[in-house]
Amino acid sequence: EPEVTQTPSHQVTQMGQEVILRCVPISNHLYFYWYRQILGQKVEFLVSFYNNEISEKSEIFDDQFSVERPDGSNFTLKIRSTKLEDSAMYFCASSISGGGNTGELFFGEGSRLTVL
Amino acid sequence: GENVEQHPSTLSVQEGDSAVIKCTYSDSASNYFPWYKQELGKRPQLIIDIRSNVGEKKDQRIAVTLNKTAKHFSLHITETQPEDSAVYFCADAPMDSSYKLIFGSGTRLLVRP
Repeated sequence: EPEVTQTPSHQVTQMGQEVILRCVPISNHLYFYWYRQILGQKVEFLVSFYNNEISEKSEIFDDQFSVERPDGSNFTLKIRSTKLEDSAMYFCASSISGGGNTGELFFGEGSRLTVL
Repeated sequence: GENVEQHPSTLSVQEGDSAVIKCTYSDSASNYFPWYKQELGKRPQLIIDIRSNVGEKKDQRIAVTLNKTAKHFSLHITETQPEDSAVYFCADAPMDSSYKLIFGSGTRLLVRP
C-alpha cells in the first residue's frame, strides 16, 4: 500500500539553526500539507500546497517557515531560525482531492523536531 | 476562524462496552467530517468520515452520526476491544477554506480488558 514517507524521523537542533524536513507524498496525490503536533496536544494545520504554490497557511506559518517541491517527488518544510517553541512532531500529509472536495488525508509517520 | 470542540478528553470503558465521542463545530458550511485514530507515537489514520449530505455512516463496529442543525457529530464504537485504545481526533473541513482540516483536541480512549 502506498504511503507518505518522511525524513528524518527525529532531529535535534540548536535554537537559531535552520532545519529542513523532507516528505515524499503518495505519487498520484495532488495536494500536500504540513501539520504539527506539540506533545500531548492536537494536530494543527500549518500549510497546504497545490499546483506548485501555497493554497493556504495558518498564523503559525510565519516568515520563518517555507515549503518547496524541489522535484516531482519531494515536498519540504524549512524552518529558517528555529525557536524552542518549534519543538513538535511535524506531519506531512497528502490527498488526491482538496479544495471544495476535501478527501482523506494520508499522514506520514512524522518528524520529531527537538530544539535545544 | 473555525473551531472544533471535542469531548470527553479521556474515556475509559470495559471491553465489550460502547464508546461515544462527540464534537461540535462552528462553521455551518463545513462539509467534511473525518475521524482519525492515533496510536502512541504513530501517525493519525483515518477510520471513518462523513460528508454533510449524509446523516449517518457505519463501518463494522464504528459509526459516525452528523447533526447539521446542531452542528455536532459523534463517533460510536461498539463492542470495544483493547486494540481500540488510542487517541481519537475529530476534524472538519471549513467551507471558507477547504484546503485544511481543523482538528479537535482529541479523546484518549482506554479499553480495559
